[in-house]
Formats: sequence, structure tokens, C-alpha cells
Amino acid sequence: AQSVAQPEDQVKVAEGNPLTVKCTYSVSGNPYLFWYVQYPNRGLQFLLKYITGDNLVKGSYGFEAEFNKSQTSFHLKKPSALVSDSALYFCAVRDGRGSTLGRLYFGRGTQLTVWP
Amino acid sequence: EAGVAQSPRYKIIEKRQSVAFWCNPISGHATLYWYQQILGQGPKLLIQFQNNGVVDDSQLPKDRFSAERLKGVDSTLKIQPAKLEDSAVYLCASSGDRGFTMNTEAFFGQGTRLTVV
Repeated sequence: AQSVAQPEDQVKVAEGNPLTVKCTYSVSGNPYLFWYVQYPNRGLQFLLKYITGDNLVKGSYGFEAEFNKSQTSFHLKKPSALVSDSALYFCAVRDGRGSTLGRLYFGRGTQLTVWP
Repeated sequence: EAGVAQSPRYKIIEKRQSVAFWCNPISGHATLYWYQQILGQGPKLLIQFQNNGVVDDSQLPKDRFSAERLKGVDSTLKIQPAKLEDSAVYLCASSGDRGFTMNTEAFFGQGTRLTVV
């Protein structure tokens, strides 16, 4: 079965420090992986996606994610965090096979807090 | 480019009442999704349309939930009768101005926060 795990409910970092939000996945076939961010009372906003090719994917607002096939991980990173990055982050994987082809599965989310 | 529009933003109803949510996707997007996001959880797919046809409704509680997408554009999601456990944010999303592909990201509306009391 397809699944996404975000092992940390919360991540807290100081502004200017690097940040990592972790995600591991389980999927049949090739992985199609996505990161979304959700600000309070807002819908989900797309940050970046991995399809094929380079293992380091660059996205919006200075975020990037590193795909690691052997560890089935897709961690979100940013070299220097901003207070405005504080939000809820979701990792998602698209189902590649069977009757649920195309279904997008989300993790539980990780609350990122960046303090000044 | 206009985003995904949803209404209402908030709704409070009593259990056993009915409620309907409306979604207008991004113009030209063929795929439309309804997700349920319960507090503290990630969004869960309820139903996925491709144009005006249903491609995945296996997680839709069909005894009380229904959805339609007439003419392949806007969509409504209805709950009748509502239960306390239906309290959640209902998100609409759309994707695929060139048809559905596995690598196409979905664009989300702001959601409707439903509280059942």
C-alpha cells in the first residue's frame, strides 16, 4: 500500500539556520513526490516535486528537496530559514499502479516554527 | 491566473442536517479533487473527477456523501445527513490543463471549514 510518513510533528529552528523537514514514502512503481505548505486558514500551496532526474529538486521560496531512492526519503530543506517559513508542511506521493492510479497520498504534516 | 474558488469558507450545522460545498477549479483544468482534512491529519481524497466523470470515489462515504461535476467545470460536494465526525476542512483542488499526468501538481482552494454540532 502507498504511504507517506513524516516522523516529526514539529520542527523548530532559529532564523538563519538551515532547516530539514523529513519525509519517507512507500510506493509501487516509480515515485512521484510532492511537497506542499499550508499557512493558517489557507489551502495547500505547491512547493516542489520530484519526477525523475536530479536527486536535488529546487522549488519555490528557496526550498529544495533531496530524493534518496535507497532510503525511500524525500526530505525538504532550506539553507537559511526565515520567520515567514513558519507553517505546516505536507509531503505527498502519487500512487503509480492499480485501481488507485494517480491518487495523491499525504503525510500527517510537520509544523515548522522559525524563531527570530 | 485565478486560483481554485471555494464557498462557503465556514459552515456550522447541527448533526443530521445537510450541507453543500461549491468549487470552481482553475480554468481549463480537467481533473478536480475533493479532499477531507481532519484536524491534525493530512488531507484524504474523497473523490476525483476527470472532466465530468468519476475516476476514484473509493474513499467517499456514499451513504451520506455525494458529489457531482456537471459539464466538467465546477463541482458540488454534499453531506446528508451530517455527523459529528464530519467536522473537518473540505479542500477542493484541480490540475491538468493538458490532461492528467502523474507528475502534475494539484492546486488547492482555501477550503471550507465545517463544524457539526
